[in-house]
Amino acid sequence: DAGVIQSPRHEVTEMGQEVTLRCKPISGHNSLFWYRQTMMRGLELLIYFNNNVPIDDSGMPEDRFSAKMPNASFSTLKIQPSEPRDSAVYFCASSFRLGEAFFGQGTRLTVV
Amino acid sequence: AQKVTQAQTEISVVEKEDVTLDCVYETRDTTYYLFWYKQPPSGELVFLIRRNSFDEQNEISGRYSWNFQKSTSSFNFTITASQVVDSAVYFCALIPGSARQLTFGSGTQLTVLP
Repeated sequence: DAGVIQSPRHEVTEMGQEVTLRCKPISGHNSLFWYRQTMMRGLELLIYFNNNVPIDDSGMPEDRFSAKMPNASFSTLKIQPSEPRDSAVYFCASSFRLGEAFFGQGTRLTVV
Repeated sequence: AQKVTQAQTEISVVEKEDVTLDCVYETRDTTYYLFWYKQPPSGELVFLIRRNSFDEQNEISGRYSWNFQKSTSSFNFTITASQVVDSAVYFCALIPGSARQLTFGSGTQLTVLP
């Protein structure tokens, strides 16, 4: 298996633009997580899905953020409109066994 | 509420030295799971180990060993005979009770100098 695949690896966008981050989890994994990593706040869970259903989205900063998982092999995280404070590395992770998450390489988002 | 504290922000050692990374956790749950992840310079997080709260046996995997002590709520990680390739940020994490999401500590940046 190729592991968790995220795209794009890097994204630079202007404030106010819509940004969509994509994730393909490992086949057979039933949980998918979106994390955000910044120097100030470390690793924060944004949302996680179990069997494609959102279970906990309490970490989603505000209404500008939305996440979907239309099927077991694809998820998106959308920010609309983007703001400079959204600049961070966004990780997608999937797991089958509790806590043993496999992380993608992340998307480094810069909002200018 | 749960919390993971990694008090050591940065550690530098010279190759072949042993190094211990500290992790202290807080949770009210009697059942919980503890983890260590490694984040090398390439950026992705790599799972290293999982322990459950009922298993206090220490574990050794090659040069890596983990010391779990419920009495002090600690789950420390030791690298023996460190190597330059061990340079990375190491995160301790916790899953309490019936939750599924990881709560991470702030990480320890380990630099192993040649």
